[in-house]
This record gives sequence, structure tokens and C-alpha cells, in this order.
Amino acid sequence: GDSVTQMEGPVTLSEEAFLTINCTYTATGYPSLFWYVQYPGEGLQLLLKATKADDKGSNKGFEATYRKETTSFHLEKGSVQVSDSAVYFCALSDTGFQKLVFGTGTRLLVSP
Amino acid sequence: DTAVSQTPKYLVTQMGNDKSIKCEQNLGHDTMYWYKQDSKKFLKIMFSYNNKELIINETVPNRFSPKSPDKAHLNLHINSLELGDSAVYFCASSPRGAGGRETQYFGPGTRLLVL
Repeated sequence: GDSVTQMEGPVTLSEEAFLTINCTYTATGYPSLFWYVQYPGEGLQLLLKATKADDKGSNKGFEATYRKETTSFHLEKGSVQVSDSAVYFCALSDTGFQKLVFGTGTRLLVSP
Repeated sequence: DTAVSQTPKYLVTQMGNDKSIKCEQNLGHDTMYWYKQDSKKFLKIMFSYNNKELIINETVPNRFSPKSPDKAHLNLHINSLELGDSAVYFCASSPRGAGGRETQYFGPGTRLLVL
């Protein structure tokens, strides 16, 4: 079945550091890929998405590129802020299936 | 204006009780979902409905019964609650389109604690 693998957290960074959170996937079809963010005590918000190979999703300084050859969708940000502290979920939605398959989530902690 | 809303936000109850969680979306979407987030933050699909029709039922115990009175509402009823049902339950909705590409919009979650 479809699955998503994310790097274990927590990821602890100082403000203005560079962020990478790795995400790889397996899917039987041709999935769309998503990053969702969950701030403490809140629900999930879409951060960015990509629906086909080589697409780059971007939002709020975060970026991720859909790499079909490496089945990856790594999340990056050039300079993190304290307000970016949250749990980040990589997810896929396979062709024809209307459900999201999530990774285990990666907690990001940014200190001043 | 809340896009996807859930009630209640917190629910504390005893084992064996029956409880319901309500979800409403005002986005005009055709598809609604229930997800369960366990204590380790792992999220898994439980059900999805497309215009009041059950599409996905992911091996959820029969004690869980979703009900969709109209396409803007998807409620979750849980019978005979067990300790293992303690979790955060998220409702979500999405437009119907080229299957899989649509963004899902999540509610704030209902934190269920079974004592």
C-alpha cells in the first residue's frame, strides 16, 4: 500500500538557521504530495502541495519539489523563525483515491 | 468565518458511554472525511463521504458510525467507548475533482479522553 516516511524529530534549530525535513513516499499510482503544518493545540493547515513531477510548491518561505526519480518531497526553508515551531506532516493522495496518507510528523523547535 | 467546524472541542467521558462529534463545512465541498490522530501524533483516515455517500471505511470498528445528513455535515457517533478511543478526531473536506489532487481543509479537532 501507499506510505510516507518522514525523518524522526524533534528537529531543533536556532532562529535564521536553514531547515530541511526529509520525506519519501511509495505509491502505486501517480500521487499528489502535500505538506501540512500543525501548530500547538490547533488543527492542520495546508502549507504547500505539488501535483506532478518536478513541480515546486512554495508558501511562507517554505519550498518542496516533487522528485519522482527519488520518490521524495523534502521540505526546506532558508531562514526559520520561532513562529515556525510546529509539527510538519508530509502526505500523499494517490490517483483516484480521495484520502490522505500521512507520515508520522516531524516536530520543529526553533529557539531565539 | 470558520470553514470547517467541529463540536465539541473537548470531550471527556467514561468507558462504555456513547458520544457524538459533529462536523460542518461551509465551503460548498462535496467530500468530507474523518481522521484519527493518536497520542504519538500519527494521523489515519477513518471514513470519507462523497455527497452523503460512504466512499472509504478504513477497517474502523463497528462501534464507529458516521452519518451525513447532507453534504455540508458529517457526524461521528461512537458506541461503547473504550480507553483506546482516546485521541484527537479531525474532520476535513475537499472539493470533488481530479481524484487525489484536491486540498483537504481540516477542522480544529475534537480531543476525546475516555476514562
